Amino acid sequence: AQSVTQLGSHVSVSEGALVLLRCNYSSSVPPYLFWYVQYPNQGLQLLLKYTSAATLVKGINGFEAEFKKSETSFHLTKPSAHMSDAAEYFCAVSDGSGGTSYGKLTFGQGTILTVHP
Amino acid sequence: GAVVSQHPSRVICKSGTSVKIECRSLDFQATTMFWYRQFPKQSLMLMATSNEGSKATYEQGVEKDKFLINHASLTLSTLTVTSAHPEDSSFYICSAQGSYGYTFGSGTRLTVV
Repeated sequence: AQSVTQLGSHVSVSEGALVLLRCNYSSSVPPYLFWYVQYPNQGLQLLLKYTSAATLVKGINGFEAEFKKSETSFHLTKPSAHMSDAAEYFCAVSDGSGGTSYGKLTFGQGTILTVHP
Repeated sequence: GAVVSQHPSRVICKSGTSVKIECRSLDFQATTMFWYRQFPKQSLMLMATSNEGSKATYEQGVEKDKFLINHASLTLSTLTVTSAHPEDSSFYICSAQGSYGYTFGSGTRLTVV
């Protein structure tokens, strides 16, 4: 079984400040980990993914995340927040069934990011 | 990049009627399609997984006779909400799995009145 816990349902930062969204996972197999962003009434857009290669993963829009196996964490960061980053962010884990199959995704509860001017 | 087209984006229907939601992978073949449901201010809950040409696998607690899934081709999957009731009102999202990961549709806001 796998699960994801996102610490903090709401995070508020000032424009230009560091963004840190926390994600801890539980998985019985080496996980694939993902961060997605969702804008209101829209689907999910992939920010970045970890699939057992480099532990520091760079994604789109200046986001990055670091896989730390010892801490079972995959926190999302961005050095300088922009107003357009305001959205809901989801961390997800899959069991990576092998080959080209990523298996089922299990999502965290989501974190709403608010960016103040 | 990979694109999944989901239609309709919004639908309002009367209680007791059925609604069909389509998801098409436009530039890749989706070996597997996932259907999610998202209630306001909540996360995505997986409803079912479908592979082309075979019956869908439903998650525990999801009524397969109410949420009919058809995955007749590698580029099209449909979810039909049968005999819809107000409690079925939700945001439904599909996700297609191709060779390089998941691509999500833009979602369908279903309101049953």
